[in-house]
Amino acid sequence: DIVMTQTPLSSPVTLGQPASISCRSSQSLVHSDGNTYLSWLQQRPGQPPRLLIYKISNRFSGVPDRFSGSGAGTDFTLKISRVEAEDVGVYYCMQATQFRTFGQGTKVEIK
Amino acid sequence: QVQLQESGPGLVKPSETLSLTCTVSGGSISSYYWSWIRQPPGKGLEWIGYIYYSGSTNYNPSLKSRVTISVDTSKNQFSLKLSSVTAADTAVYYCARDHGDYPLDWGQGTLVTVSS
Repeated sequence: DIVMTQTPLSSPVTLGQPASISCRSSQSLVHSDGNTYLSWLQQRPGQPPRLLIYKISNRFSGVPDRFSGSGAGTDFTLKISRVEAEDVGVYYCMQATQFRTFGQGTKVEIK
Repeated sequence: QVQLQESGPGLVKPSETLSLTCTVSGGSISSYYWSWIRQPPGKGLEWIGYIYYSGSTNYNPSLKSRVTISVDTSKNQFSLKLSSVTAADTAVYYCARDHGDYPLDWGQGTLVTVSS
């Protein structure tokens, strides 16, 4: 299994300030077809998860442009340029290169 | 906008089979992949498996021996069966419409508790 490790597990941030979450995989996520199937999901309190980013850096429909994804191989990052109150929740990275596995989640909260 | 709704018993006895159905509205099930994901209370996400509308499946290797996912295109539904459940299977179970590489839309989830 591919193990996904996120850091930090908790991220207190000030409104309007940036936030960054790292995700590292136990092996390369480059698929034999050349694509890298790394996604980011957001789970607000009491809600199901929702897709933010797919294939490393592609924002899903309706996702604000303050969210961005980057990375390659085994190291990936989700950045929020200016955190808003509605961004509070848990963020998960997910790989789909070899079946599906998730990171442990990173809780973003307001200081 | 596709909507998904999970349904099924909220309480299952140990060693029995958990059965859930996901009803899809606002779109046809006869395209895309359709997934089941679960989340134990206060914990992270675990992919159970998915089915293509044609019937081909892919299951989490750690659950494969106990999982069956099926689709009923006539009812616009897909279903999950998980056999020989234990307390470790207590979780919120989500169904989702899936692109094949990432989930697109999620149901609200249903809590299933395994207890005698």
